[in-house]
Amino acid sequence: GAVVSQHPSRVICKSGTSVKIECRSLDFQATTMFWYRQFPKQSLMLMATSNEGSKATYEQGVEKDKFLINHASLTLSTLTVTSAHPEDSSFYICSASQQGYSNQPQHFGDGTRLSIL
Amino acid sequence: GESVGLHLPTLSVQEGDNSIINCAYSNSASDYFIWYKQESGKGPQFIIDIRSNMDKRQGQRVTVLLNKTVKHLSLQIAATQPGDSAVYFCAERSAGNMLTFGGGTRLMVKP
Repeated sequence: GAVVSQHPSRVICKSGTSVKIECRSLDFQATTMFWYRQFPKQSLMLMATSNEGSKATYEQGVEKDKFLINHASLTLSTLTVTSAHPEDSSFYICSASQQGYSNQPQHFGDGTRLSIL
Repeated sequence: GESVGLHLPTLSVQEGDNSIINCAYSNSASDYFIWYKQESGKGPQFIIDIRSNMDKRQGQRVTVLLNKTVKHLSLQIAATQPGDSAVYFCAERSAGNMLTFGGGTRLMVKP
């Protein structure tokens, strides 16, 4: 089955640090990847849609200069949390759908737990 | 709109019993619905899906029911096992393959 890999799984860093999270589709190509954020005991909230070769589309209220997204290939999207602060601490999850198979469900990575001290 | 809860409702069942988890969705134009299972510290795992032109779909030990009239989705798990303990989310798909997640339900299975 389709596998999505996220790295790193956990990050602990000081306030002001920029953190990059990678999302890879391991056995399929993904034109589109999605980035979600999940706070404890809450649901997943879509942050942005990452499109290969073009700019990401951000949801309302998500700062594009704060959360930089790059989707340089059909198998890799990155999310960079710039100048992270404690309020950015959260569980970040990516997902991807197989290119040309829009009727298939999104497959999710195992998330990245970001803790800003 | 989304359904985001600050407190996850919990369903507690005895091992071997059947579980029913409910979800209300918001967009009558959604054409595809998915149930995901999320274990602690992991990403959502696909369980079963259903298209809007169907009202029931069965998988292995799981059944999804869709009632478009009242915009309601349910997940039935037969013979619930301890390994089924997790948080379950429904999701509806809209244009651009975007998913909107429901608030989630925590399933606890008592041995």
